[in-house]
Amino acid sequence: DVKVTQSSRYLVKRTGEKVFLECVQDMDHENMFWYRQDPGLGLRLIYFSYDVKMKEKGDIPEGYSVSREKKERFSLILESASTNQTSMYLCASSTKGTIYFGEGSWLTVV
Amino acid sequence: AQSVSQHNHHVILSEAASLELGCNYSYGGTVNLFWYVQYPGQHLQLLLKYFSGDPLVKGIKGFEAEFIKSKFSFNLRKPSVQWSDTAEYFCAVNARTSYGKLTFGQGTILTVHP
Repeated sequence: DVKVTQSSRYLVKRTGEKVFLECVQDMDHENMFWYRQDPGLGLRLIYFSYDVKMKEKGDIPEGYSVSREKKERFSLILESASTNQTSMYLCASSTKGTIYFGEGSWLTVV
Repeated sequence: AQSVSQHNHHVILSEAASLELGCNYSYGGTVNLFWYVQYPGQHLQLLLKYFSGDPLVKGIKGFEAEFIKSKFSFNLRKPSVQWSDTAEYFCAVNARTSYGKLTFGQGTILTVHP
């Protein structure tokens, strides 16, 4: 089975803090993604990566950056957390058109 | 850019009722279509997917979906729901050339009363 692991399930951070969300997949997938999930809005793509050190903006990249130094790891960075970034963050990886999701990280910014 | 629209935000049914959740997408090219489910407190799970071939797709737990190309629709159905089907359901689409990145609908919350 494909496993996508997000390092933290629940985080509470202060406004202005730098936040790192880590994601690791174990299936050698080229493509990895970060989404955020908000009630009534579904999932929205923040960034994705199609290879090591390659990244592209998704639909809502403002306030976020990403890093992919190794194929299995894709990090989401909030440079200066704000309260409107309180959300559920989902990492995913894909191969042959099918996406596999991690369990999600609940981030609360206070 | 592609978009996905789910017709209902919240559907409430009694056990044994039939279910149909609507999903329409807009995109000019060839797409792959998906339905995901998220049970309370759990991560997203793939219910079924359509890439090509028979437009009637069967998934896990008795769910099926029909792709109607002329209507840009991919509706999810189940003949008889159970209390355990209570969850949020997401329709999603990706273009064949998009590295697999998905565009999701807003989600439909299904509540099944025993």
